[in-house]
Amino acid sequence: AQSVTQLGSHVSVSEGALVLLRCNYSSSVPPYLFWYVQYPNQGLQLLLKYTTGATLVKGINGFEAEFKKSETSFHLTKPSAHMSDAAEYFCAASRGGTSYGKLTFGQGTILTVHP
Amino acid sequence: KAGVTQTPRYLIKTRGQQVTLSCSPISGHRSVSWYQQTPGQGLQFLFEYFSETQRNKGNFPGRFSGRQFSNSRSEMNVSTLELGDSALYLCASSLGRQSSYEQYFGPGTRLTVT
Repeated sequence: AQSVTQLGSHVSVSEGALVLLRCNYSSSVPPYLFWYVQYPNQGLQLLLKYTTGATLVKGINGFEAEFKKSETSFHLTKPSAHMSDAAEYFCAASRGGTSYGKLTFGQGTILTVHP
Repeated sequence: KAGVTQTPRYLIKTRGQQVTLSCSPISGHRSVSWYQQTPGQGLQFLFEYFSETQRNKGNFPGRFSGRQFSNSRSEMNVSTLELGDSALYLCASSLGRQSSYEQYFGPGTRLTVT
């Protein structure tokens, strides 16, 4: 069974500092990978996705992630945190084929940004 | 293009009752997936519908069911509600084509069971 693990349920950074949110997946077949952000009382917003091709993926709001097959990782980074980045972030995976409509999510990481 | 809409946004039900939640996907999207979000279990996949057929199913009891209509709108139903069914229910839509895997989420329906 596929699983997604996010290391660190809470991450705290200062405004302007590097943001690094960690995600590892477990799968015998490289999955399709996504990062979503959720603000309080809202649904999930897609930040970026990896399907095939370039392993460094750029998303919205200055976020990017790198797919590393050898490390089964898909960590999310942003060079300089902004107060508006404070939210909960979810890493998700799907297996593709007829299963791509089923996302498996990590437990989420709450990002706090201090002024 | 309008996003995914879910109705109602908030719902309070009593244990033992049943509830129906509605989801309207983005225009042109044929796949609708449903998820349950709770503080304890996180985000869990319920089921996915594509062209009015259930294509994938998660590990939830039979009290949870769904359907999709010819216009791609979807409903999910929970019968015999339990306290543990209190959650945020999210639906997501996608094109359903192999070339486009990303899902777009609605704002959710917050269900409280008392």
